[in-house]
Amino acid sequence: ETGVTQSPTHLIKTRGQQVTLRCSSQSGHNTVSWYQQALGQGPQFIFQYYREEENGRGNFPPRFSGLQFPNYSSELNVNALELDDSALYLCASSFRDGTQYFGPGTRLTVL
Amino acid sequence: AQSVSQHNHHVILSEAASLELGCNYSYGGTVNLFWYVQYPGQHLQLLLKYFSGDPLVKGIKGFEAEFIKSKFSFNLRKPSVQWSDTAEYFCAVITTNFGNEKLTFGTGTRLTIIP
Repeated sequence: ETGVTQSPTHLIKTRGQQVTLRCSSQSGHNTVSWYQQALGQGPQFIFQYYREEENGRGNFPPRFSGLQFPNYSSELNVNALELDDSALYLCASSFRDGTQYFGPGTRLTVL
Repeated sequence: AQSVSQHNHHVILSEAASLELGCNYSYGGTVNLFWYVQYPGQHLQLLLKYFSGDPLVKGIKGFEAEFIKSKFSFNLRKPSVQWSDTAEYFCAVITTNFGNEKLTFGTGTRLTIIP
């Protein structure tokens, strides 16, 4: 167990809907990163938050957005869901040396 | 942009066999290298990491990896595998020169150990 928690564990949505995924970072970690892992692929970087500011973004459209709160927990929001958004969404927290510790993920299915 | 290649997509071994999983990255600057493992139904776990110093790093569960800068490689090894090593293995790299600590992952190697 890494101390990183995510909710919900599973989610089913339909195309066009919006979804919010949540992540609580490991105690003392001030950086949260989000990744998308499609079936049979490695995780792909979505974005990173450091002290409540976005600190880098991967190749994802603006309908993927996020927040980090003062307690360093974080949300990932996806608007106008598409079928290809079906994936495992991973949250990772880190502190000084950049080593990232992952949560269990949220499995999103878009129908 | 940096990239990571894992050439072995699926490896099948018998228990007690030796293991080597290949990982190559493309980036000419300073890198931090990682191996993560994803056991069936579990989350990604850190196996080992290399930041600097001794290029041979030891991780959990008897795994080790060697950083060879001239070959841009960071191969994972274990002298004798067990059935419980069945999992998906991901190599990843961080390049900190871009102001954030983005992990770039390879596509993973599925390891199946036959009892």
